[in-house]
Amino acid sequence: DADVTQTPRNRITKTGKRIMLECSQTKGHDRMYWYRQDPGLGLQLIYYSFDVKDINKGEISDGYSVSRQAQAKFSLSLESAIPNQTALYFCATSGGSDEQFFGPGTRLTVL
Amino acid sequence: GESVGLHLPTLSVQEGDNSIINCAYSNSASDYFIWYKQESGKGPQFIIDIRSNMDKRQGQRVTVLLNKTVKHLSLQIAATQPGDSAVYFCAVLTTDSWGKFQFGAGTQVVVTP
Repeated sequence: DADVTQTPRNRITKTGKRIMLECSQTKGHDRMYWYRQDPGLGLQLIYYSFDVKDINKGEISDGYSVSRQAQAKFSLSLESAIPNQTALYFCATSGGSDEQFFGPGTRLTVL
Repeated sequence: GESVGLHLPTLSVQEGDNSIINCAYSNSASDYFIWYKQESGKGPQFIIDIRSNMDKRQGQRVTVLLNKTVKHLSLQIAATQPGDSAVYFCAVLTTDSWGKFQFGAGTQVVVTP
């Protein structure tokens, strides 16, 4: 079984809809991250959490919110989706070392 | 702020040849570097890492070289195979970034028979 899972893997939605992307991990890591990936750009950090009670904004947090429901779960919400939020979204985790482990990604299309 | 860039967007290499992928960074406080491989439709996968107290590290068919003087990082893949076709990107961590990496945009490696 995968250590970091994301649901859904693909989602098509309409402008103005609320969307939630979910991430779960079985690695026992405290740190979790949400990134978006656009063609020709490096991964951009949206939000990160170093433990259940810790939530921090990343480089591009506007239009997004997160919830750390448990050590193993970190969800990303788009309150009112817009077309320029069409992207690949990745969740990642890290533990005692600095290495980050990525989920398989969610492809989100906003029409 | 950190600037991380890759020199070539696409690298075409013949099967069996060696591949070299480059990455430049700008922050001299960068102290940890990772190379990731991303296959189509999948998440990034760790290949190899190196810390700033080293200038070379080898794995299975891969070598990472770090030149701190010119702030340059490279990934060498020996005897490139079709399964090596993917996007490769570097990730750079600085001492004051609190676990937040800067990621390069990636180089698409295409292995031809």
